[in-house]
Amino acid sequence: QSVLTQPPSVSGAPGQRVTISCTGSSSNIGAGYDVHWYQHLPGTAPKLLIYGISNRPSGVPDRFSGSKSGAAASLAITGLQPEDEADYYCQSYDRSLTDTVFGAGTKVTVL
Amino acid sequence: QVHLVQSGAEVKKPGASVKVSCQASRYTFTNYYFHWVRQAPGQGLEWMGIINPNGGSTRYSPRFQGRVTMTRDTSTNMIYMELSSLSFEDTALYYCASSSNYGDLADLEIWGQGTVVTV
Repeated sequence: QSVLTQPPSVSGAPGQRVTISCTGSSSNIGAGYDVHWYQHLPGTAPKLLIYGISNRPSGVPDRFSGSKSGAAASLAITGLQPEDEADYYCQSYDRSLTDTVFGAGTKVTVL
Repeated sequence: QVHLVQSGAEVKKPGASVKVSCQASRYTFTNYYFHWVRQAPGQGLEWMGIINPNGGSTRYSPRFQGRVTMTRDTSTNMIYMELSSLSFEDTALYYCASSSNYGDLADLEIWGQGTVVTV
């Protein structure tokens, strides 16, 4: 059971916008710790998608964006494409656990 | 470009130890920090720890403290992760990953291909 809560799945049609939430607490996201997001396609290594809440590494399309409000962070995918079908994980730090933590992951399905 | 190449799959008995390696280029080895992250079947990602190849200092997740040892070999640009007292719950895909920032919460920029460890 992760201290960062993500919905197990979200879905959308091609071209639509979907958002994935990552809800934490005052011990992690709410304490001001950074949030990173990763995309993980089956059989491949995870890929850094967003770092420091809202920054995109070079090469990541601007369809992907990150934000934070209070103790929750969000990843938005606009103009959903078939190749976006993957698992998405958020990552932060929890000062009570003194540990880096990941959310349990959200499976994005493109209908 | 940073590339990380990991060693092959391992099969171990309960109670044994496993040592997984991660090969980096010379540039990568001297300019990045290295993490280990694992994913058990059907589960999410778990951060295990970080090693600074310059000096070899480490920080481990409390979940693995006492069972994990991360080392490096500066002559071969190799990073190692050894996990002891294996149990069935340690069956997982183990990833080596690198970051240009040091810290438990550094963003993991480049990942190896993963090494399957079966207990």
